[in-house]
Amino acid sequence: EAGVAQSPRYKIIEKRQSVAFWCNPISGHATLYWYQQILGQGPKLLIQFQNNGVVDDSQLPKDRFSAERLKGVDSTLKIQPAKLEDSAVYLCASSLGRQTSTDTQYFGPGTRLTVL
Amino acid sequence: GDSVTQMEGPVTLSEEAFLTINCTYTATGYPSLFWYVQYPGEGLQLLLKATKADDKGSNKGFEATYRKETTSFHLEKGSVQVSDSAVYFCALSDPTDSWGKLQFGAGTQVVVTP
Repeated sequence: EAGVAQSPRYKIIEKRQSVAFWCNPISGHATLYWYQQILGQGPKLLIQFQNNGVVDDSQLPKDRFSAERLKGVDSTLKIQPAKLEDSAVYLCASSLGRQTSTDTQYFGPGTRLTVL
Repeated sequence: GDSVTQMEGPVTLSEEAFLTINCTYTATGYPSLFWYVQYPGEGLQLLLKATKADDKGSNKGFEATYRKETTSFHLEKGSVQVSDSAVYFCALSDPTDSWGKLQFGAGTQVVVTP
């Protein structure tokens, strides 16, 4: 079974530029998560989708971050404009979505973003 | 709000030594508890989980028991190998708070030397 795919793996941009990350979850997984992992910290949830609807975006900086999940499968996360403090690894995860609090979340390899 | 506290690293130990990583949590409900591992250059992988009090999760020689009375979920392994060098994250999912989002601790780096 294929795992969660993410691209690109690495991205370097100047501040105020825009960037987009792509995620393809495990087939059949209804729930998709985007986490931000700053160096030396644990991942922090940015946004969660159940199928193609947003169920939690309370920690998403909506003035600069946006995300969508078209047709309930792939998802993109965009930052515009980027700030220095956005330098982090962006992790995508997916789960079956049947018993969400006990479900195992499967993580992709992440995209390491460096903002100069 | 919910939170997870785990011991700071790095933890450095010799091969075949006993490993313990402490994890305590604060939650309003009865959370599910997880240990994830991140090997160098790789994504997070589930190591083990427990979904109710007194459950013991185990995998690859690692064990952790869900202790509601002490709000703890300490990770243990009796004899570590060099290949266990990684960052370990304790996490919880609170069914009363969210749709299953994970609240992570800061991570504990483990370095095993030959």
